Amino acid sequence: NAGVTQTPKFQVLKTGQSMTLQCAQDMNHNSMYWYRQDPGMGLRLIYYSASEGTTDKGEVPNGYNVSRLNKREFSLRLESAAPSQTSVYFCASSDDRGYEQYFGPGTRLTVT
Amino acid sequence: GENVEQHPSTLSVQEGDSAVIKCTYSDSASNYFPWYKQELGKGPQLIIDIRSNVGEKKDQRIAVTLNKTAKHFSLHITETQPEDSAVYFCAAADSWGKLQFGAGTQVVVTP
Repeated sequence: NAGVTQTPKFQVLKTGQSMTLQCAQDMNHNSMYWYRQDPGMGLRLIYYSASEGTTDKGEVPNGYNVSRLNKREFSLRLESAAPSQTSVYFCASSDDRGYEQYFGPGTRLTVT
Repeated sequence: GENVEQHPSTLSVQEGDSAVIKCTYSDSASNYFPWYKQELGKGPQLIIDIRSNVGEKKDQRIAVTLNKTAKHFSLHITETQPEDSAVYFCAAADSWGKLQFGAGTQVVVTP
């Protein structure tokens, strides 16, 4: 079991460029999440998907879109990157909604 | 919504001593309280959790206590070792099942 995998590991974008962060889990979990982590602020929820076919906004959704492609995959898209989106992005999954979330290794994104 | 405060922000302990990290939460409907350990350059790892119908839970050298009346919960690490050095996060699940995280505690264990 690979658990939760994320690609890419690192990315540098220029302001206004777009990109998609990919996440996949092999634990047959129903729920998946995207967080961002900034220094001194813990992790903040961007979007989540309680089950295949559903997505909902979290605490900081502005500037992002998501797609739950199937039960395994949950992608995060930045349509027009801004320097304020420089952060480390983590994907997580859980079987029972909200409980026992397992995290991926993260994507470090820099927007210049 | 839920608000979680975590203290201290940094904690330095001698190897073999105990470490305690405290968190408070605001939503009385919160019913799930996990703790995560994050090593440098890695994703957070779930180390222990507690549900609201339990007051204390232990797993080897780590334990978590919950006081629902006071709305606070704590992580206790006994006999600390250098490999316990990391950032620790507490979290609380709000009434919608979404996790709200504390800001983190940097723990440094010195030999």
